[in-house]
Amino acid sequence: GNSVTQMEGPVTLSEEAFLTINCTYTATGYPSLFWYVQYPGEGLQLLLKATKADDKGSNKGFEATYRKETTSFHLEKGSVQVSDSAVYFCALSQNSGGSNYKLTFGKGTLLTVNP
Amino acid sequence: DVKVTQSSRYLVKRTGEKVFLECVQDMDHENMFWYRQDPGLGLRLIYFSYDVKMKEKGDIPEGYSVSREKKERFSLILESASTNQTSMYLCASRLTGSPYEQYFGPGTRLTVT
Repeated sequence: GNSVTQMEGPVTLSEEAFLTINCTYTATGYPSLFWYVQYPGEGLQLLLKATKADDKGSNKGFEATYRKETTSFHLEKGSVQVSDSAVYFCALSQNSGGSNYKLTFGKGTLLTVNP
Repeated sequence: DVKVTQSSRYLVKRTGEKVFLECVQDMDHENMFWYRQDPGLGLRLIYFSYDVKMKEKGDIPEGYSVSREKKERFSLILESASTNQTSMYLCASRLTGSPYEQYFGPGTRLTVT
C-alpha cells in the first residue's frame, strides 16, 4: 500500500534560518504529492503540490521538488519567519484507479520558529 | 474561495451519548471526507462520500457512521461515544478527479468524558 514518511519533529529554528523537512513516499504508479500546513487551532491548508516527476511546487517562499528517482518531496524554505510556526504534513494521492480520491498523510512535523 | 465549515469547534460529550458532527461545503464538490487527527498518528480517514447517499469506509470506520443526504452536507455520527473517540475531527471536500487537492474545515475538538 501507499505510505508517506516524514522527518519527526519537533523542529526548532531561529528566524531567517534555512528549513528542510524531509519526506519520502512509497506508492505504485505515479502519485501526486502535496504539502499541507496546519496553523495553531486551524484546519489543514494546501501549501503546495506537484503532479509529476521533476515538477517543483512553490508557495509563500516554500518549495518542494518531486524526485521520482529518490521517491522524495522535501520541503524547503530559505528564510523562515515566526509566522511559519505550524505543523507540516506531506501527503500523496494516486492519479488513477479506484483509490484516486484518497490522500495518504505523513504523521506531521511541528515547526517552531523563534524570534 | 472554497469554504468548508464544521458545526462546532469544541464539543464535550459523555460516554454513551449519540454525537453528530456536521460539515458543510459551498463549492459543489462531489467528494467529502471525515478524518480524525491524533498526536503521533497524523490524519486517519474514517469515511468518504463520493456523491449524495454514497459512502465508503476509510481506514478506521469502527464506531462511526455517516450520512450524506445533500451534496453540500456530510455528517459524522458516533452512535455511542466512548473515551477513545476523544480526538480532533477534520472534514474535507474535493472535486472529483485527480489531482485536485482536498479542502479542509477548521476541525472539531471532541472530548468524551
